[in-house]
Amino acid sequence: DIQLTQFPSSLSAFVGDRVTITCRASQNIGTSLNWYQQKPGMAPRLLIYAASSLHSGVPSRFSGSGSGTDFTLTISGLQPEDFAIFYCQQSYTTPWTFGQGTKVEIK
Amino acid sequence: EVQLGESGGGLVQPGRSLRLSCTTSGFTFADHAMSWVRQIPGKGLEWVGFIRNKDDGATTEYAASVRGRFIISRDESKRIAYLQMNSLRIEDTGVYYCTRIFAHTAMDNRFDSWGQGTPVTVS
Repeated sequence: DIQLTQFPSSLSAFVGDRVTITCRASQNIGTSLNWYQQKPGMAPRLLIYAASSLHSGVPSRFSGSGSGTDFTLTISGLQPEDFAIFYCQQSYTTPWTFGQGTKVEIK
Repeated sequence: EVQLGESGGGLVQPGRSLRLSCTTSGFTFADHAMSWVRQIPGKGLEWVGFIRNKDDGATTEYAASVRGRFIISRDESKRIAYLQMNSLRIEDTGVYYCTRIFAHTAMDNRFDSWGQGTPVTVS
């Protein structure tokens, strides 16, 4: 199975900060990497697909990059509503797997 | 508007069965594969399995942890996806989400819409 490791596991940031979350795959997955945001008590929602494409309706302050084994999710100008847990997920091959999550908290 | 709604969760004893339903609207159900993802309490997300659309044979794939115990099916006329869970274990406890899959290519699949989730407790 392809393992996805996210870091950091958690971070604290101020509103307006630029935040970067990294996801590392245990093998080359090309650009088959998606990012999701989950707020407490809610279902996850898709933010970024195919490593760098913004899902419909997602604010442009979210961006993704990377290929192969190393990927990043960047939030440029953190907003109060962005505090949540973020997960990466690979669709390169089944079993599709998720990273363990990165919790973004208010500083 | 794409809408997914899970039902059928609840409390069940170990070894028993439960069937979850995912009712859908707002899109052409026949065009999309459907998947189930679960979240163990206080933990992250785990893909459970998926079913391809009818044109792709409605074939299924499962995570190793549920293969042989869980079965995903779909009813095109009712626009419902099902998750039949047999021989339930305590470790199957969690919130089960139904998701729509948008498949651009064989290796570009994403869970682009999610239901609100239904809790399953095995105890």
